[in-house]
Amino acid sequence: DTGVSQNPRHKITKRGQNVTFRCDPISEHNRLYWYRQTLGQGPEFLTYFQNEAQLEKSRLLSDRFSAERPKGSFSTLEIQRTEQGDSAMYLCASSLVGLESPLHFGNGTRLTVT
Amino acid sequence: AQKITQTQPGMFVQEKEAVTLDCTYDTSDPSYGLFWYKQPSSGEMIFLIYQGSYDQQNATEGRYSLNFQKARKSANLVISASQLGDSAMYFCAMREGIGNQFYFGTGTSLTVIP
Repeated sequence: DTGVSQNPRHKITKRGQNVTFRCDPISEHNRLYWYRQTLGQGPEFLTYFQNEAQLEKSRLLSDRFSAERPKGSFSTLEIQRTEQGDSAMYLCASSLVGLESPLHFGNGTRLTVT
Repeated sequence: AQKITQTQPGMFVQEKEAVTLDCTYDTSDPSYGLFWYKQPSSGEMIFLIYQGSYDQQNATEGRYSLNFQKARKSANLVISASQLGDSAMYFCAMREGIGNQFYFGTGTSLTVIP
């Protein structure tokens, strides 16, 4: 169990640029989640995968955000045409199936849009 | 309505004392799980304790215990014998039986005073 890995740890980009983040979940976990967290707030749900299927996406999520999980392994989160309001910590988490299974989080990718 | 409510933005506790962090939740699903996470200033989210809606006894994990009052829909975290390393943000979260989202509260910032 090597834990959930996220890359990069930090990303600084200019407004209007596209960015892509990667998440490698714990290998036996078939559920993968993306969250966004701003300072002083709790994690905000973005989207969720079970294996390679994207089963749920937040209604608050702009069309500029897209996520994939090819082959049910790693996942990528892309933000197109970034805005300053996109600046946040982007957290990936994975879990097993089961109500009692906790989310295991990565260390996050901190995005700063200038 | 908020799924998870944490009404204490900040709490202080003397080292070696016990502290209770409040959490109330809202769901009509009879099957759900409640989780507590710790987020130190370094940013990682650390799973602390789980309580299932059908569990008859309050969950305990070392110095952490969960005061589960189902009728009141509350799931308060009790930390006994506080240590300086307990200073962090604490988040309450819920996973419903239907759907797979985790809902997080806004968190409580705990400061342990030497």
